[in-house]
Amino acid sequence: NAGVTQTPKFRILKIGQSMTLQCTQDMNHNYMYWYRQDPGMGLKLIYYSVGAGITDKGEVPNGYNVSRSTTEDFPLRLELAAPSQTSVYFCASSYSSRTGYSNQPQHFGDGTRLSIL
Amino acid sequence: GEDVEQSLFLSVREGDSSVINCTYTDSSSTYLYWYKQEPGAGLQLLTYIFSNMDMKQDQRLTVLLNKKDKHLSLRIADTQTGDSAIYFCAESQWDNYGQNFVFGPGTRLSVLP
Repeated sequence: NAGVTQTPKFRILKIGQSMTLQCTQDMNHNYMYWYRQDPGMGLKLIYYSVGAGITDKGEVPNGYNVSRSTTEDFPLRLELAAPSQTSVYFCASSYSSRTGYSNQPQHFGDGTRLSIL
Repeated sequence: GEDVEQSLFLSVREGDSSVINCTYTDSSSTYLYWYKQEPGAGLQLLTYIFSNMDMKQDQRLTVLLNKKDKHLSLRIADTQTGDSAIYFCAESQWDNYGQNFVFGPGTRLSVLP
């Protein structure tokens, strides 16, 4: 099983450039998430989505945009890259059902390491 | 508000037991998780415990939950160099919109030969 796949794995951008980080999952999960992890720090939630066509802001959404046109894909866009966005970005997915409280952990991709110079 | 706390660093000698601690604030948490992050990799689900349990054992891993004190611990028996990683504690709660996750800052475990 592929699970959660993120591309690219590494990228260097110049200040002011834009790019899209790709994330796709093949587990038919309804929830998807984007986190950033700064060196030596924990995870900060950027955006999340509870299903196709629905997205919402997390803790640190400024400078980012997302879309969720399909269940599988949840791309993260940086419009005007800034040095403060140098980080490792993780995409995750989970299945949440309102019909019960079953165990539904998050599954993570391997991350995209982004440097902005 | 929701908050998950962990000590940031732990060093142990190879062969000793490691105990990584975590405290959380939301008493309505239903599941608590331990994730492992190896250098340059993503987070890998290690184990989890349901909130109505107080202990779960899985080979070298033992999870203890003290719901009254909102304290979770992960014990790794016979710690090996391959256990060196960052360990994240996470809690999840259910609300009207579904399952909500909160992660701790991670504990960096260093295993010394």
